[in-house]
Amino acid sequence: DAKTTQPNSMESNEEEPVHLPCNHSTISGTDYIHWYRQLPSQGPEYVIHGLTSNVNNRMASLAIAEDRKSSTLILHRATLRDAAVYYCILRDVIWDSNYQLIWGAGTKLIIKP
Amino acid sequence: NAGVTQTPKFQVLKTGQSMTLQCAQDMNHEYMSWYRQDPGMGLRLIHYSVGAGITDQGEVPNGYNVSRSTTEDFPLRLLSAAPSQTSVYFCASSSTGGYNEQFFGPGTRLTVL
Repeated sequence: DAKTTQPNSMESNEEEPVHLPCNHSTISGTDYIHWYRQLPSQGPEYVIHGLTSNVNNRMASLAIAEDRKSSTLILHRATLRDAAVYYCILRDVIWDSNYQLIWGAGTKLIIKP
Repeated sequence: NAGVTQTPKFQVLKTGQSMTLQCAQDMNHEYMSWYRQDPGMGLRLIHYSVGAGITDQGEVPNGYNVSRSTTEDFPLRLLSAAPSQTSVYFCASSSTGGYNEQFFGPGTRLTVL
């Protein structure tokens, strides 16, 4: 199973952009890159996912390297509510239409006021 | 629309006791799964289901049973609780296709003495 590597923690100032890196050097051609985040004492919540092209949604942007061996989650203007553990996860195909998510330890994002 | 609900929120068991963690979703999702999260770690998949009557094992299934008699409900049963099963348990659901986001419940914090 392909795995991901993320920094244990990162700090950022409020209202500044945040770039959260993720390395996945053994990614396969059909692995999707998913990002989830987990606020303190809550269940994880979906942030974004992509395959090859960069992706944008209302929460964040996902930049995927051309060789797909790394990606970066971009929060354009971090707020205190974005303080959470961010998980970069690769899709592991089990059946044709279903999958497991293989979770690492994630990056704890600390936002300073 | 309640999303994914889990009961109870907290539970303390003695070694050898059995219990059932409840999970329900009202989004008509075919795919449901159970994860456990130990302190400072990512989530590990226990069991999953791709539809009513169909279940399969994940990464750490030993000591747990599941059943899926309806689309809405996916209970997790601890057969004979052990201290090693002290953890936070999350239930998740998603529509099939695997590309879609998983929705997580708020979790059940279980302590086995």
